[in-house]
Amino acid sequence: NAGVTQTPKFQVLKTGQSMTLQCAQDMNHNSMYWYRQDPGMGLRLIYYSASEGTTDKGEVPNGYNVSRLNKREFSLRLESAAPSQTSVYFCASSLKGKETQYFGPGTRLLVL
Amino acid sequence: GDSVTQMEGPVTLSEEAFLTINCTYTATGYPSLFWYVQYPGEGLQLLLKATKADDKGSNKGFEATYRKETTSFHLEKGSVQVSDSAVYFCALSVGSNYQLIWGAGTKLIIKP
Repeated sequence: NAGVTQTPKFQVLKTGQSMTLQCAQDMNHNSMYWYRQDPGMGLRLIYYSASEGTTDKGEVPNGYNVSRLNKREFSLRLESAAPSQTSVYFCASSLKGKETQYFGPGTRLLVL
Repeated sequence: GDSVTQMEGPVTLSEEAFLTINCTYTATGYPSLFWYVQYPGEGLQLLLKATKADDKGSNKGFEATYRKETTSFHLEKGSVQVSDSAVYFCALSVGSNYQLIWGAGTKLIIKP
């Protein structure tokens, strides 16, 4: 039982490049989330998916898009990376809203 | 709006000292309250939670009591160890919202 997995673990991009962060969970959870973590700012929600087929904006969605590919997978895409998107990105999942969220190990992204 | 306020860190203690990390919240309705822990280089993991007033969550020697009258959920441990060094996050979930509201995190450093 792998829980929540994320790829890649680390990525360096140049300004303007695009990339997709992958997330998968094997716990049959309905809800999935993307967060970014910046020093001194805690976690900020980028997008979430309450259930398969739905996605909604969180606190900081600008510059990002998401796809809930199926119940297991939830990807985050940066179409044109900016230095302000340098951060650590965490994916999480929960059985349903208000329940405990389970986190992946994170992706460190550096945009030059 | 809903919010969580944690004491600023870092908190530095000697091994076997008593720990308190303060967390207060504002929320409409009846939130569930959580403490998550993030060890260096890892994702967040649930430490404990409480879903209604006067509930006490506990795990790994840590405890927190849901105090509705003071809107608080302070984290305590009687005797900390070096292995408790981590960042601790307080969070709440309320209503039909699928989002967790996060505190900024408190870094705990335990010296031998």
